[in-house]
Parts: sequence; structure tokens; C-alpha cells
Amino acid sequence: DAGVIQSPRHEVTEMGQEVTLRCKPISGHNSLFWYRQTMMRGLELLIYFNNNVPIDDSGMPEDRFSAKMPNASFSTLKIQPSEPRDSAVYFCASSLRQGIGNTQYFGPGTRLTVL
Amino acid sequence: GENVEQHPSTLSVQEGDSAVIKCTYSDSASNYFPWYKQELGKRPQLIIDIRSNVGEKKDQRIAVTLNKTAKHFSLHITETQPEDSAVYFCAASRRGSQGNLIFGKGTKLSVKP
Repeated sequence: DAGVIQSPRHEVTEMGQEVTLRCKPISGHNSLFWYRQTMMRGLELLIYFNNNVPIDDSGMPEDRFSAKMPNASFSTLKIQPSEPRDSAVYFCASSLRQGIGNTQYFGPGTRLTVL
Repeated sequence: GENVEQHPSTLSVQEGDSAVIKCTYSDSASNYFPWYKQELGKRPQLIIDIRSNVGEKKDQRIAVTLNKTAKHFSLHITETQPEDSAVYFCAASRRGSQGNLIFGKGTKLSVKP
């Protein structure tokens, strides 16, 4: 398996622009997680899906952030409009939810820079 | 909700020495405790995990211990090597949380040759 795939790997944009990050989870996995990582705040969970349904989006910082999972093999995280404080590495992770302890496999991340 | 505290934030050891990283959690219903290693510029990767029905688990040079009464768990790395240098994250997952992990802030481990 190719693992979790994220695109783009790097994104540089100007303040006010729309940014869309993409994720393809591992085939067969039924849970998908979006994280944001910064030096100051560490690894923060933004939102997660089970069977394509958003379960908890309490980590989404503001209405500027939105996430969708139209099918089991694709998810997007959108920021509109983007701001410099959104600069971070965004990770997508997936897992197979079964019983106790579901290992999350992380994608390579998207490094976002908002100028 | 769950809160995970991790200490120390940085740790420097000599090659060959042991390293210990400790985490505490607040939710007594948590039952799954993974540890992730993140090398510079890379993604977090699972290195070991423990479930609440086990007190200790070992995998070659790494081991994890769990004390449910005290609500803390620790990562032990023996005979450290320079390639162990990375940021280590502990996490906890609560029964019924549908796989949601709450991560600690991370420990930057430096192993000096």
C-alpha cells in the first residue's frame, strides 16, 4: 500500500487566498483525521471522520476552516481566506477502527506558508 | 475531556545511555496509549503502543510501562543511538472516542555520539 497520500507537499500563498489541502487515506481505513502542527501549539487535532461522516470538528479554529470527505478515499481541508497565522504543517492520518487501539498512520504532511 | 501532559520537553543523553519520557493523562476511561516518533521534517510514526489490560510492553530497545492507578505511562529507550534523536509524542485514547487520540506536547530527544 502507498500509505496516506497528501497533496500538495508544500504550499505558499498570500494572505486572503483560498487554500485546499488534499488527502487520500489508506485503502480500507474507515477513520480519517486532520492535524495541524506548529512549534508553539504542537500537534492539534482539527477534525476527524468515521465512515466519511464528521464526528468532531471542535478543533477547527474558525469558520475559515472547513473539511469534507465526499467518499472513503478522499478528503479536503479548505482555508478561506487564509491568514499568516495559518502557516503550519498539516497532517492527515487514517486508521481502521476496530476494537481497542486503532493505530493512526500519518501522511507526509503539507507545509503551508501564508505570506 | 482528556488532557495529556508530557515531560520533559527536551532530553539530552550520551550514546549508550537510557532515556525515559513520562506522560500523565486525566481521563480514567482512556485505554489505549501509543507512542510516536517524529524525525526532523518527517511524519509521526508509531513505535510502540500499550493497552490498558497490560502493564508493560517491550520491543527490542524500547519499552512502555503503564500505571493505570496513577494514570501515567512512560517510554524507556535503552542503549540509545544517534538515530534515536527525534521528537517523541505520547497519546491517549478513550474508550468510545472512536479512535480519537489526544497527544502530549512532545519531547525532543538528542543523543550525543
